Amino acid sequence: DVKVTQSSRYLVKRTGEKVFLECVQDMDHENMFWYRQDPGLGLRLIYFSYDVKMKEKGDIPEGYSVSREKKERFSLILESASTNQTSMYLCASSGAGTSASSRSSYNEQFFGPGTRLTVL
Amino acid sequence: SQELEQSPQSLIVQEGKNLTINCTSSKTLYGLYWYKQKYGEGLIFLMMLQKGGEEKSHEKITAKLDEKKQQSSLHITASQPSHAGIYLCGAYIQGAQKLVFGQGTRLTINP
Repeated sequence: DVKVTQSSRYLVKRTGEKVFLECVQDMDHENMFWYRQDPGLGLRLIYFSYDVKMKEKGDIPEGYSVSREKKERFSLILESASTNQTSMYLCASSGAGTSASSRSSYNEQFFGPGTRLTVL
Repeated sequence: SQELEQSPQSLIVQEGKNLTINCTSSKTLYGLYWYKQKYGEGLIFLMMLQKGGEEKSHEKITAKLDEKKQQSSLHITASQPSHAGIYLCGAYIQGAQKLVFGQGTRLTINP
């Protein structure tokens, strides 16, 4: 049974704190993604990674950084949490794509249960 | 503006009724995905459509991708309380190298 796990379901932090959100997948997937989900805005991609130690910015990377030291683990870091980073954070992973022209993957993304982060 | 538009944003139906959710783009869609999300939880994969005109069914849920590959619909027959949740469409849109998502449709089933 495929599995993507996230370190916390609920997290409350104070403004200015450094926050680490951890995501682990057990499917040996090459691709991993971090999204945030806000009402009326759907899912927005923050960062993604196609390989170990490799990262690429998504649509809204400002205020975030990521780390992928091992294939199975992709961490999202909020260097100095702010109230506008209160959101639901979702991690996903997928296998390598079959497209010959790019590294994009048309494979299904498997999602973790999400971390609801509140920044006070 | 959203690259993928979902409609309606919210839907309330009586148990047993049929319903349809739409997902539309102005560009060609590659790898169209439907996900369901229970409130406050992660996304559960429902179906993937790739070919124009393709249709897939799982239990009482049917999804179609139109011939032009610019619109998909998700149809639920004889809705049940277990169908309640947020439905999201995601797709690789022409020119994009990553999955983009619609805003989601919040479905409520009244007994």
